[in-house]
Amino acid sequence: KNEVEQSPQNLTAQEGEFITINCSYSVGISALHWLQQHPGGGIVSLFMLSSGKKKHGRLIATINIQEKHSSLHITASHPRDSAVYICAVKNFGNEKLTFGTGTRLTIIP
Amino acid sequence: NAGVTQTPKFQVLKTGQSMTLQCAQDMNHEYMSWYRQDPGMGLRLIHYSVGAGITDQGEVPNGYNVSRSTTEDFPLRLLSAAPSQTSVYFCASSPGAPGSPLHFGNGTRLTVT
Repeated sequence: KNEVEQSPQNLTAQEGEFITINCSYSVGISALHWLQQHPGGGIVSLFMLSSGKKKHGRLIATINIQEKHSSLHITASHPRDSAVYICAVKNFGNEKLTFGTGTRLTIIP
Repeated sequence: NAGVTQTPKFQVLKTGQSMTLQCAQDMNHEYMSWYRQDPGMGLRLIHYSVGAGITDQGEVPNGYNVSRSTTEDFPLRLLSAAPSQTSVYFCASSPGAPGSPLHFGNGTRLTVT
């Protein structure tokens, strides 16, 4: 079973700060997902990565396959970015995902 | 385009009762899955399906049944509810291609007393 660790568990920052959330996993994977869970509970897919880097607006996701590590960055953070960010990995050879416990991000105006 | 629709949003059951959580998607996705989310734990896979007529167990399948008679629908049945099944349940779908993004329903908050 793949172990997925996220850090930090909680993060509070001022509006405008650069945010980094980390995800490490123990076994090689075929893909990694970053998800955002809003305070109301809904879950939205942000990125799916198998290598390299992806950017969407102020969000950037990177993955280092050799180091089994991914980061999610938020530039010019805003209070609307306040949410729980979840990392999930897909193992080779099956359709099952293993999820991290999430990072709760709070951006203060 | 409705995406993934879960019903009901809230449900309270007594121990021993049975019920079905509904999940429907209108995106013609092959892959559908059910997760439960408990405080302090990551989402955990209950059951999943890679296409109509095909289902398989996830990490925590005990006490739950699923079927996939159509591409659109993937209901989750609680056979005899137990307090340990109090949780928030999410249904998700994806096109099925390797590494496709996931689309989640809005969740069902279930309380078993």
